[in-house]
Amino acid sequence: DAGITQSPRYKITETGRQVTLMCHQTWSHSYMFWYRQDLGHGLRLIYYSAAADITDKGEVPDGYVVSRSKTENFPLTLESATRSQTSVYFCATSRGGLGYGYNFGSGTRLTVV
Amino acid sequence: AQRVTQPEKLLSVFKGAPVELKCNYSYSGSPELFWYVQYSRQRLQLLLRHISRESIKGFTADLNKGETSFHLKKPFAQEEDSAMYYCALSGGDYKLSFGAGTTVTVRA
Repeated sequence: DAGITQSPRYKITETGRQVTLMCHQTWSHSYMFWYRQDLGHGLRLIYYSAAADITDKGEVPDGYVVSRSKTENFPLTLESATRSQTSVYFCATSRGGLGYGYNFGSGTRLTVV
Repeated sequence: AQRVTQPEKLLSVFKGAPVELKCNYSYSGSPELFWYVQYSRQRLQLLLRHISRESIKGFTADLNKGETSFHLKKPFAQEEDSAMYYCALSGGDYKLSFGAGTTVTVRA
């Protein structure tokens, strides 16, 4: 089941370049999230969205931009990539409501050189 | 502010031995707590949520509000339990805060 698809799976980019990570869901869940996973830090929330055209900052938003023009898509853009943004990025969705967890994508491993 | 602490980065146990992963949280209200598991090179999967009081793959977790803990336990570890485990908390706004994770290795 596709459910939630992230692309690309792997990306190498140079410092200063703009790069966009894609996230697509087929469930029509209201909530979508972007996390970065780093050793020793666990998962940290970058941005989230409660619905189309509604986005908000998470714990570590600096250097990132998001948009959500359609419910099913939630792209994450690194405006000018830095080495500190080398990480694994996970997109997640939730239908909301008490007790519902998240559904995670397979992740994008981004390396900034 | 909400915070999740997993004090153990690494945990190594022998097959058949009990395993306990610690999770402590700080939150002023009534939290929703979860355990997620990530097997090697796979996506994170929901393992347990305290609200359903279920047992998955032999794992259980009890919410102790007095000690603000949500420790994960399994009486007999299996090799396939080797993975990264994350404790997570939701404060009711549908955002999850994760701990730093515990890597579990089960030795034969």
